[in-house]
Amino acid sequence: GAVVSQHPSWVICKSGTSVKIECRSLDFQATTMFWYRQFPKQSLMLMATSNEGSKATYEQGVEKDKFLINHASLTLSTLTVTSAHPEDSSFYICSASGQNSYEQYFGPGTRLTVT
Amino acid sequence: GIQVEQSPPDLILQEGANSTLRCNFSDSVNNLQWFHQNPWGQLINLFYIPSGTKQNGRLSATTVATERYSLLYISSSQTTDSGVYFCAVAINDYKLSFGAGTTVTVRA
Repeated sequence: GAVVSQHPSWVICKSGTSVKIECRSLDFQATTMFWYRQFPKQSLMLMATSNEGSKATYEQGVEKDKFLINHASLTLSTLTVTSAHPEDSSFYICSASGQNSYEQYFGPGTRLTVT
Repeated sequence: GIQVEQSPPDLILQEGANSTLRCNFSDSVNNLQWFHQNPWGQLINLFYIPSGTKQNGRLSATTVATERYSLLYISSSQTTDSGVYFCAVAINDYKLSFGAGTTVTVRA
């Protein structure tokens, strides 16, 4: 149980375009979903937290107009990187936690390359 | 925010050896998780252990919450144990703060 999927697993886009990444909890209802960013050889940095039906809460320094997060249902959250630039190239990972649980389960990640 | 320190940063093991990874944190926590990140980037949940001791096969973990540290034990290491091990903690909310990780290399 507790499986989280992400799609796509990797994407290459041109500078100035937008990219949408989906995160789904497959076998549980995710009341809270999280988006992280990981640069090579570094740890994970939390970007934002989202609860179903509510606006996302962004961490300090994360541009909410650039990284649009939607948590439309208890099993789906999306991250849209708008007007992507090469510096947005990174590994994006989502996680989800269920009701009354602090434990987070992570998706396999999406590798974004902006050319 | 909370500080999370992992040690050692790198660990090279011969297959079959045992090892201990440590995670120190600077405040009381209500969530502590250990993860293994495989070469493809997938984070595998190893333990959810804000306190106490747990075992799962060759892996075990102990968290001493009052002293603000957690230990992950790997016994009889195998090459498939290679990867980065992360400790992550949260205080009073759901937001996890990650340590820098311990990179484990197990040689055949």
